[in-house]
Amino acid sequence: AQKITQTQPGMFVQEKEAVTLDCTYDTSDQSYGLFWYKQPSSGEMIFLIYQGSYDEQNATEGRYSLNFQKARKSANLVISASQLGDSAMYFCAMRELGSGGYQKVTFGTGTKLQVIP
Amino acid sequence: KAGVTQTPRYLIKTRGQQVTLSCSPISGHRSVSWYQQTPGQGLQFLFEYFSETQRNKGNFPGRFSGRQFSNSRSEMNVSTLELGDSALYLCASSLTGTSNEQFFGPGTRLTVL
Repeated sequence: AQKITQTQPGMFVQEKEAVTLDCTYDTSDQSYGLFWYKQPSSGEMIFLIYQGSYDEQNATEGRYSLNFQKARKSANLVISASQLGDSAMYFCAMRELGSGGYQKVTFGTGTKLQVIP
Repeated sequence: KAGVTQTPRYLIKTRGQQVTLSCSPISGHRSVSWYQQTPGQGLQFLFEYFSETQRNKGNFPGRFSGRQFSNSRSEMNVSTLELGDSALYLCASSLTGTSNEQFFGPGTRLTVL
């Protein structure tokens, strides 16, 4: 089974509109972390937002918010007021903490977001 | 504070050769992880080093190896290169390895001919 599933290979959004990028995950760990990264065409991965499995509030970072639904094992990224510079690949990732505090990070296949003027 | 640096940025090799990639983490960061990114397989975890010790390893053949030095700089080596090793190799650093953030470098794009 896929650890991280991103079902939307590509999405379009109108500039200034909000958009939701889907992510579901699979883990048996009680303690884990969920991340979203942005990868522009330049290739560099840019950290956007983090949600810990024990965090009760949904994470927010500026125009980014993470809609965390633990029971449904989903961690959707919401981008408000889209800008042309938001056009990029977006990756959902999960960090699982094994014994001894060692981490393993698994990435989804990504969603290509294109913002239309 | 300087970000994560990777050298070289671009590399062209032929099948059978070996290659060494370098990653310098953010100052003070002790954890360095390596990832391979290809259009077909996406982002795959290679290994993670912390305080000069390999802590985690992904599902890659033994041709892929790495090490970390006392200053936290890390190198990744691929021996007997295959065409399928052509990829973007990304390095990420974090403070302890269990931190909330990993900071990625710009990557090294390896082309195997």
